[in-house]
Amino acid sequence: DTGVSQNPRHKITKRGQNVTFRCDPISEHNRLYWYRQTLGQGPEFLTYFQNEAQLEKSRLLSDRFSAERPKGSFSTLEIQRTEQGDSAMYLCASSPAGPETQYFGPGTRLLVL
Amino acid sequence: AQKITQTQPGMFVQEKEAVTLDCTYDTSDQSYGLFWYKQPSSGEMIFLIYQGSYDEQNATEGRYSLNFQKARKSANLVISASQLGDSAMYFCAMIGEDSSYKLIFGSGTRLLVRP
Repeated sequence: DTGVSQNPRHKITKRGQNVTFRCDPISEHNRLYWYRQTLGQGPEFLTYFQNEAQLEKSRLLSDRFSAERPKGSFSTLEIQRTEQGDSAMYLCASSPAGPETQYFGPGTRLLVL
Repeated sequence: AQKITQTQPGMFVQEKEAVTLDCTYDTSDQSYGLFWYKQPSSGEMIFLIYQGSYDEQNATEGRYSLNFQKARKSANLVISASQLGDSAMYFCAMIGEDSSYKLIFGSGTRLLVRP
């Protein structure tokens, strides 16, 4: 049973460019979560999926952010027109269902220049 | 609204000694869960231990134990026999009755184990 994987692990981009991150959850985990972590802080919830349905989005998720989980498998998080304030660690987690433990991937570190 | 407070930005402990990392929480939910995660410098969040609000006994996982005091709304993590590899950030987190079960994290405690 492999863990949660995320790609890329690191991304450097220029302001205004679009970036896309991918998360592959633990197989058969129905729930998939995205969190953002800035330096010196704990992770903050962005959005989550139950299978392929995106059920909740945080106010942190501006209209420049979009997430998908086609067919309830992997998920992508896209940031359009990146800003320097988007620089952060983006963490993906999955859980079987309901109030179960969430298991995290290694994260994608984004730096916007 | 739920809130997690970790008041120790940094802690030192001597190798092989025990250390307690503090966590207090605030919630109006009757049913909730408390978690501790470890984050090494590599960035991955590693699940350590879980305590449910209705669990009467304190959770234990190997060298980790959770000192759950419901009336005081505290969920301190105790690491026994510290090892050099325990040096990392430690985050306390909770879920409540919100059907999303999203984790609410504290600001973390950086633990440094001295040889």
